[in-house]
Amino acid sequence: QKEVEQNSGPLSVPEGAIASLNCTYSDRGSQSFFWYRQYSGKSPELIMSIYSNGDKEDGRFTAQLNKASQYVSLLIRDSQPSDSATYLCAVLNTGNQFYFGTGTSLTVIP
Amino acid sequence: GAVVSQHPSRVICKSGTSVKIECRSLDFQATTMFWYRQFPKQSLMLMATSNEGSKATYEQGVEKDKFLINHASLTLSTLTVTSAHPEDSSFYICSAPNQMNTEAFFGQGTRLTVV
Repeated sequence: QKEVEQNSGPLSVPEGAIASLNCTYSDRGSQSFFWYRQYSGKSPELIMSIYSNGDKEDGRFTAQLNKASQYVSLLIRDSQPSDSATYLCAVLNTGNQFYFGTGTSLTVIP
Repeated sequence: GAVVSQHPSRVICKSGTSVKIECRSLDFQATTMFWYRQFPKQSLMLMATSNEGSKATYEQGVEKDKFLINHASLTLSTLTVTSAHPEDSSFYICSAPNQMNTEAFFGQGTRLTVV
């Protein structure tokens, strides 16, 4: 079983819509969860981190965590073409290792 | 914010030669660094965890004799691809978590092409 699993997509949404990205993880003891954005040929950049169950909002981005279901999601409201990228879910497991999901490719259509 | 510097950013080498990639944490100490490989249109795959002062921990399927990792100090980890072959051509990225493990900072990545 992979440490972190994501739907690889591709996901296409029209400009202004909500994009929903999902992720599950296997290590139940994990405490730290991250969403990174990666543009082609570039290193990932951190969008949000979340540590507690519930929602965390930052601008147009909302991260949601449900530890009981081992599920993390990222919502992007009012999607813009510039949001088109690959979004990587990352989990810091109980061994203090960062594992990444396969990434979800998002395209926002103008 | 914290900075991780990785170089070279791009390298082309002949098949059979070795290539060293450096990863430095510029403004914080990193007892742990992670090395990833990314093939086109695929995600980051963890290759190994580099630990300062001890041996690296390799993921299953990664050849430790081929991908040599040295974490010589609290600010420097190196990955040496030995006897490189064309199938080793990939994007290699290092990252270092801060001391509180609240974020992992990434190097700029190294595009390796083996011809």
